[in-house]
Amino acid sequence: DAKTTQPPSMDCAEGRAANLPCNHSTISGNEYVYWYRQIHSQGPQYIIHGLKNNETNEMASLIITEDRKSSTLILPHATLRDTAVYYCIVRAGIYNQGGKLIFGQGTELSVKP
Amino acid sequence: EAGVAQSPRYKIIEKRQSVAFWCNPISGHATLYWYQQILGQGPKLLIQFQNNGVVDDSQLPKDRFSAERLKGVDSTLKIQPAKLEDSAVYLCASSGDRDLTFGSGTRLTVV
Repeated sequence: DAKTTQPPSMDCAEGRAANLPCNHSTISGNEYVYWYRQIHSQGPQYIIHGLKNNETNEMASLIITEDRKSSTLILPHATLRDTAVYYCIVRAGIYNQGGKLIFGQGTELSVKP
Repeated sequence: EAGVAQSPRYKIIEKRQSVAFWCNPISGHATLYWYQQILGQGPKLLIQFQNNGVVDDSQLPKDRFSAERLKGVDSTLKIQPAKLEDSAVYLCASSGDRDLTFGSGTRLTVV
């Protein structure tokens, strides 16, 4: 079963920051937080991941609370193309250690003009 | 680099028929996954391969589903016989030492 809780849907105005929350209160010390998104009719796409430090890449920022029980994905300037379902996943280890991704229901983000 | 290739893109079959899906992962990726995604739900892991060995098939309905990756590269997922509830998108993914990359999936409709 998925070990995360996300709101089922969110709206965001184009050009504004989209802040997507995720609760993972039972996360273990060796588990990473991963974010993927899925645009309609496509496979999920990797966005970002982190262990305990905040992370930033060209797509997004990931803020993880100090107790690691929750995190927030930030899309700094949302565009219409960011409309998608966003999945927050906790996963032990990294890919070459054989860990697997267990998806929950995700958050459906609608970016509106 | 080329992505994860899947075929066919769409498939419609009658219940009790059989169907097979094919996946060609990214070159050099040792780990391959098959996921099932029912409309409105997140992807559900069916089976995970490491090279040509099965790592996890605990969620694979083995009475009707089978998968193989004989040479540790391409993989085939088969359903025989299909049921109406098997209607879904079947996603293949592969990973090396970084993030997991998904294909576009095969949309199966069982009528």
